[in-house]
Amino acid sequence: SQTIHQWPATLVQPVGSPLSLECTVEGTSNPNLYWYRQAAGRGLQLLFYSVGIGQISSEVPQNLSASRPQDRQFILSSKKLLLSDSGFYLCAWSTGTGGVQPQHFGDGTRLSIL
Amino acid sequence: SQKIEQNSEALNIQEGKTATLTCNYTNYSPAYLQWYRQDPGRGPVFLLLIRENEKEKRKERLKVTFDTTLKQSLFHITASQPADSATYLCALDQGSSYKLIFGSGTRLLVRP
Repeated sequence: SQTIHQWPATLVQPVGSPLSLECTVEGTSNPNLYWYRQAAGRGLQLLFYSVGIGQISSEVPQNLSASRPQDRQFILSSKKLLLSDSGFYLCAWSTGTGGVQPQHFGDGTRLSIL
Repeated sequence: SQKIEQNSEALNIQEGKTATLTCNYTNYSPAYLQWYRQDPGRGPVFLLLIRENEKEKRKERLKVTFDTTLKQSLFHITASQPADSATYLCALDQGSSYKLIFGSGTRLLVRP
């Protein structure tokens, strides 16, 4: 069966520090991969998605970036965090064929910027 | 752009009753509509997908309807249980097979 792992579960970082959040998927090949941010009481905001290795689409201009160095690995990064980057970050995957497919989420990273 | 409206107020019901949650959207009708459950501090979990040519979809105690004329989906949980307490999100495709737009969710509280 397929599984998705995100880490760390919580992270406290000072303003201006770098960030690296990692997500890996097991049990499937060539998944679509997604990074979302969820503010308290709000919907999920799509940040990046990828349909293949090295292919990244950015949805919202910001100081975050994403990379997909391997088929089932998706990384969210920042060189310098802002206070506004605080939030709940979720990684998700879906299959890449046959119309809109359900998305399967990890358990997220709670990021607090001080 | 497409917007999704879900009731931001929590729905509070007695155990055993049917919970009905609403998802309204503006602009174009999506080809697909999905419902997810999210527990506090966890990622959303997929529940049901309904296509635009399907009026109704059922899975155990769950039922989803899709009315493209009203631009609305209703999500029902029959014989609700305290374990059903969670936030429920609806999501629509954006004309692309890769991306979904999510509503902000409605919190359901089922009292024992």
